[in-house]
Amino acid sequence: AQSVTQLGSHVSVSEGALVLLRCNYSSSVPPYLFWYVQYPNQGLQLLLKYTSAATLVKGINGFEAEFKKSETSFHLTKPSAHMSDAAEYFCAVPSAYSGAGSYQLTFGKGTKLSVIP
Amino acid sequence: EAGVAQSPRYKIIEKRQSVAFWCNPISGHATLYWYQQILGQGPKLLIQFQNNGVVDDSQLPKDRFSAERLKGVDSTLKIQPAKLEDSAVYLCASSLNGGQQETQYFGPGTRLLVL
Repeated sequence: AQSVTQLGSHVSVSEGALVLLRCNYSSSVPPYLFWYVQYPNQGLQLLLKYTSAATLVKGINGFEAEFKKSETSFHLTKPSAHMSDAAEYFCAVPSAYSGAGSYQLTFGKGTKLSVIP
Repeated sequence: EAGVAQSPRYKIIEKRQSVAFWCNPISGHATLYWYQQILGQGPKLLIQFQNNGVVDDSQLPKDRFSAERLKGVDSTLKIQPAKLEDSAVYLCASSLNGGQQETQYFGPGTRLLVL
């Protein structure tokens, strides 16, 4: 089954600083990849997804991620952190356990982002 | 467009009691998922429905968990009897047809505390 690994369970950045959240996938075939954000006491919201159309993917709230096959990575970045970016971020890859052509998401353990004023 | 609705938002029960969670997916979405999110971890799939049929329930603890999606719309997840380790957030999500590229839309979750 597909899997993703998120390095760093907790990242702290100063307001205005670069945000870099790391995600590596394990697969011999470039998969589709997703980044979701979860604000406190809320469900998950899609930030962006890679579907092989372009290696640099732009998402909501100024986030973007670059798919690098040579590094099996899909790291999430934002040039300038804002206080409202404080949340937990999850990388995910679709997996099909049943073989029925229907997919579910396998998530990483998440990275909690803190933004220091 | 209305999002995925879940209720209740919070539930506190004692171990060995039973509890049920309800989910209403986005209209027209054939695929419905229930995920369990334990504190400090990513969501883990419990069960996946395609219309009113089960696609995958391999990670559902069937001795105590059950789920149904009658009529292929709303779904209910039940725990009976609950254990302390069932304390978690239960997330419902839906997508159009369960394809690889499709976005899954999540509800706000039900936060369960078992004492």
